[in-house]
Amino acid sequence: AQSVSQHNHHVILSEAASLELGCNYSYGGTVNLFWYVQYPGQHLQLLLKYFSGDPLVKGIKGFEAEFIKSKFSFNLRKPSVQWSDTAEYFCAVNPYSGNNRKLIWGLGTSLAVNP
Amino acid sequence: EAQVTQNPRYLITVTGKKLTVTCSQNMNHEYMSWYRQDPGLGLRQIYYSMNVEVTDKGDVPEGYKVSRKEKRNFPLILESPSPNQTSLYFCASSLLAGGRSTEQFFGPGTRLTVL
Repeated sequence: AQSVSQHNHHVILSEAASLELGCNYSYGGTVNLFWYVQYPGQHLQLLLKYFSGDPLVKGIKGFEAEFIKSKFSFNLRKPSVQWSDTAEYFCAVNPYSGNNRKLIWGLGTSLAVNP
Repeated sequence: EAQVTQNPRYLITVTGKKLTVTCSQNMNHEYMSWYRQDPGLGLRQIYYSMNVEVTDKGDVPEGYKVSRKEKRNFPLILESPSPNQTSLYFCASSLLAGGRSTEQFFGPGTRLTVL
């Protein structure tokens, strides 16, 4: 079955530290890729997306992600986190697979940034 | 303002008492979806709709119903709620491209407690 794996369930960082959150998916074909963020008590918002083209994607708030097709990965990065980045981060994949119309979601990574 | 609205935002009810959570979007999106979010389980899709009168089951459809009579509305119906349906519910919508959902816009969430 197709799945999305986010390796880190909980991450704690200090401000100004660099961030990398892993996301791997199990599907060999064409995919659309997304990272969403959920700030405490709020709904999910799109951070960035990849459909095609340059595999290094820049999103909002200084986040970026790199699609590495050979590794089935779409890791999220930020060079210097802020306290306001404390949130839950979700990776999602939309495989181009027959009649598949569903996004497949990772379980999320909870990030806490200490001031 | 482009948005997805849900009502109510908070609901406490008792087992067996039918309820409806409304969802409306003003972006003329074809695709709409309902998710539930539970600690440690991430986002799980309940139902989705590709367009008016076209709905399909997600990963956890048992105990839920939906309808899509108008493009903008996608209500979630719990005919006989049970305590295991206590959860945080999100509605989302998106355009379709190539028959697949693109960036999904999420509503603010409905926190449901079934006693």
